[in-house]
This record gives sequence, C-alpha cells and structure tokens, in this order.
Amino acid sequence: QKEVEQNSGPLSVPEGAIASLNCTYSDRGSQSFFWYRQYSGKSPELIMFIYSNGDKEDGRFTAQLNKASQYVSLLIRDSQPSDSATYLCAVINWNTGFQKLVFGTGTRLLVSP
Amino acid sequence: EAGVAQSPRYKIIEKRQSVAFWCNPISGHATLYWYQQILGQGPKLLIQFQNNGVVDDSQLPKDRFSAERLKGVDSTLKIQPAKLEDSAVYLCASSSPQVGQQAYEQYFGPGTRLTVT
Repeated sequence: QKEVEQNSGPLSVPEGAIASLNCTYSDRGSQSFFWYRQYSGKSPELIMFIYSNGDKEDGRFTAQLNKASQYVSLLIRDSQPSDSATYLCAVINWNTGFQKLVFGTGTRLLVSP
Repeated sequence: EAGVAQSPRYKIIEKRQSVAFWCNPISGHATLYWYQQILGQGPKLLIQFQNNGVVDDSQLPKDRFSAERLKGVDSTLKIQPAKLEDSAVYLCASSSPQVGQQAYEQYFGPGTRLTVT
C-alpha cells in the first residue's frame, strides 16, 4: 500500500464547475496535510494546508480533512482553464522528528473552456 | 525575498558519466531538501539537511548518489555513475523551522531536468 494515494486522472471538468480531488494516506500519525499545484515543467507550489478535521477555505479552494477515514480532499470552485495542472497531496508525521513531506503521485486536472 | 536557486536547469549525459547539481536555499532557511521526481510521479525525498548535518538520507542510493551542504548554506547533489533510471527532475527545497508546524511550508526551486542516454 502506498503511503499517499491519489487517482492519477486526468480529471476533466468544464469551466465554472467544481473540481474535486481526493487523497488517502496510510500513516495514522500524519498530522499536517498539504496540497501543491504543479504546472507542466514547473516546480510544485503550495496552495493549501490543513491540520484540523473539517473544512478550510481560501478563495476558490477548500481543503477537507477526515482523520478517522484518513482522507483529505481539495475542492476547486468555479474552475478555470488556468487551474489545469497536476495537484499533489502531501502529508507530514511530525512525531518522526523529521520535517518529511510524503507525496502522492498527483492528480492531473484538465479544465476545458 | 529571493527564491530557491538551482543550476543547471537542464543536463544531458551518457550512462556511467557523473553529474552534479547545485542549490542555494532561501536566505535564513536552515532546512534543505533534495527530491527526485520521475515523470508521472510525485517528488521523492532523497536527503534532508538541517544546517550542515544530514537528518534523513534513507532513500538516497548511496552507492551512486552523494550530497553535501558545506557551511550550512549551498548544497550539491552528485550522481556517479549515472544510470538510465536516474533520468528525472531533481528538485531542491528549503524551509524555516522557526515558523512552527502550523505555518510550515517548503519552498521549491525550479529543478534540474536530467536526461541520461
């Protein structure tokens, strides 16, 4: 079982729709959860992080965390073609003493005009 | 604030040759990371430095990969000899432990795309 699992996609949504990206993780000690966006040929950039159960909203983005189900998701409202990218889920277990991000393989999102 | 700098941006070498990558982290960031990202996969941590000491190198193929961070600032990652499966993007990132867990962020450099033929 992979430590962080994501559907590789592509996830195709029309412009203006809600894109829902999902991620599951295996380490129950994971405490912080991150969503990175990576455009083709570019490096990852952080768009959201969450560490408490529930929802966290930032503009068009909402991160949702359910530690009991070991599940974290990212919703993108009013999707734009510029949102087309690969979205990487990453987790940290601070108890290891390392600031070690473990990444999933990413989900490719395609937003069509 | 200047971001994480890396060089070169692209490198093509033949198998069994050696190659080195350079990284300059954000000023004041004590923690530096090297990742390998193979096409279609997420970044995989190779090595993590705290100042000039190694914190985690459990996934570094030590028979061919080496890294150092002299003086706790710049870092170099070397591959010798290279194999075809080393073709990937090598990302450097840095973070500041002083901000605490709830404001933690790793900042990535532009990466070096390595092609081994």
